[in-house]
Amino acid sequence: NAGVMQNPRHLVRRRGQEARLRCSPMKGHSHVYWYRQLPEEGLKFMVYLQKENIIDESGMPKERFSAEFPKEGPSILRIQQVVRGDSAAYFCASSPGSPDYEQYFGPGTRLTVT
Amino acid sequence: AQSVTQLGSHVSVSEGALVLLRCNYSSSVPPYLFWYVQYPNQGLQLLLKYTSAATLVKGINGFEAEFKKSETSFHLTKPSAHMSDAAEYFCAVRGTYKYIFGTGTRLKVLA
Repeated sequence: NAGVMQNPRHLVRRRGQEARLRCSPMKGHSHVYWYRQLPEEGLKFMVYLQKENIIDESGMPKERFSAEFPKEGPSILRIQQVVRGDSAAYFCASSPGSPDYEQYFGPGTRLTVT
Repeated sequence: AQSVTQLGSHVSVSEGALVLLRCNYSSSVPPYLFWYVQYPNQGLQLLLKYTSAATLVKGINGFEAEFKKSETSFHLTKPSAHMSDAAEYFCAVRGTYKYIFGTGTRLKVLA
């Protein structure tokens, strides 16, 4: 059973461009979580999605950030008009249910904004 | 609200010495607690987890942690450090829908 997959693993964007990060959950998992790790910090929760629904986006910045988890295909975290402060590692996790299920983490996408 | 505090952002030990990484939690309900290891530019690897069964939890790579309710602690230990243990370690507690992570402890192993 393949684990959580994220791509790309590394992404470089210039200021003002858009970044799209993809997450494919483990087989059989319909719950996806996104976390951000700023340099020298721990992971911080951003958003929790089920198929076609955003359940909790309390950790998402109010502007420029959006997330989706369509019926078909991976979950997407989109960052519009990136700024240097968006440079971070973005981790996705998945679980078969919530809230009592363990989350399994992907390898992360490292975003660098130049 | 649940939270974890990791004491010591940097810890250095000699190879072969005891490793002790501290984590204290705050939770109004019985907590589920985790320790993860992260090597440079890599993802998180689960070392061990506490899910209200045995209070002494054994994990991978010789690590273990003891849940102490009276001290609200979940410290990570390893009897003998190896050079390969040099990494960053994160304690986490499961909240509603999310994991809450500590700020991490970077472990340095001295030859």
